[in-house]
Amino acid sequence: AQSVAQPEDQVNVAEGNPLTVKCTYSVSGNPYLFWYVQYPNRGLQFLLKYITGDNLVKGSYGFEAEFNKSQTSFHLKKPSALVSDSALYFCAVRDVISSGSARQLTFGSGTQLTVLP
Amino acid sequence: DAGVTQSPTHLIKTRGQQVTLRCSPKSGHDTVSWYQQALGQGPQFIFQYYEEEERQRGNFPDRFSGHQFPNYSSELNVNALLLGDSALYLCASSLTSSGRAANTQYFGPGTRLTVL
Repeated sequence: AQSVAQPEDQVNVAEGNPLTVKCTYSVSGNPYLFWYVQYPNRGLQFLLKYITGDNLVKGSYGFEAEFNKSQTSFHLKKPSALVSDSALYFCAVRDVISSGSARQLTFGSGTQLTVLP
Repeated sequence: DAGVTQSPTHLIKTRGQQVTLRCSPKSGHDTVSWYQQALGQGPQFIFQYYEEEERQRGNFPDRFSGHQFPNYSSELNVNALLLGDSALYLCASSLTSSGRAANTQYFGPGTRLTVL
């Protein structure tokens, strides 16, 4: 079974400061990892994904994420936070497909990011 | 380029009723997945449709059923509604036929279902 943990329900950061939203995962094989953002009363918007290769993945709106296989983590980062980054962030994992294996995304419980002006 | 669209936006039903939610995938996509997002939680996978067949199902009862049409659009049906079915229902589309790994799922805005 695959699972995702987002240990922080809430992260507060001052505008202009770097931000980190944490995510750890568990899969039986190799993972595909995703970050999505959700604004109030909206669907999920794709930010970035890790498949293979470089452990540092760059995505939309200046976000990046670092894959760490030994720590089974995929933390989301941004060097300088904006007030408009305030939203709910979800980490998701999918096991690499083998015959009949999971195609579903398994999501964490979400982290509410608040960027203070 | 149209993204994923869902209808209706909001829906209010009473216990025991049946509901149908609709989804049109992003242009060029052939696979539709449905998720349930209860308040304060992450989305939970319901099922996925490809080539008009359900090819994977999450831990949801048979009251939840679906369909995919030849134009790749999809419906989610829920029978005998319970209060606990109140949630945001999200549709996501992706492309399977390309054969590429880790195809990204793109989400629609969701349908907010309230069961009274």
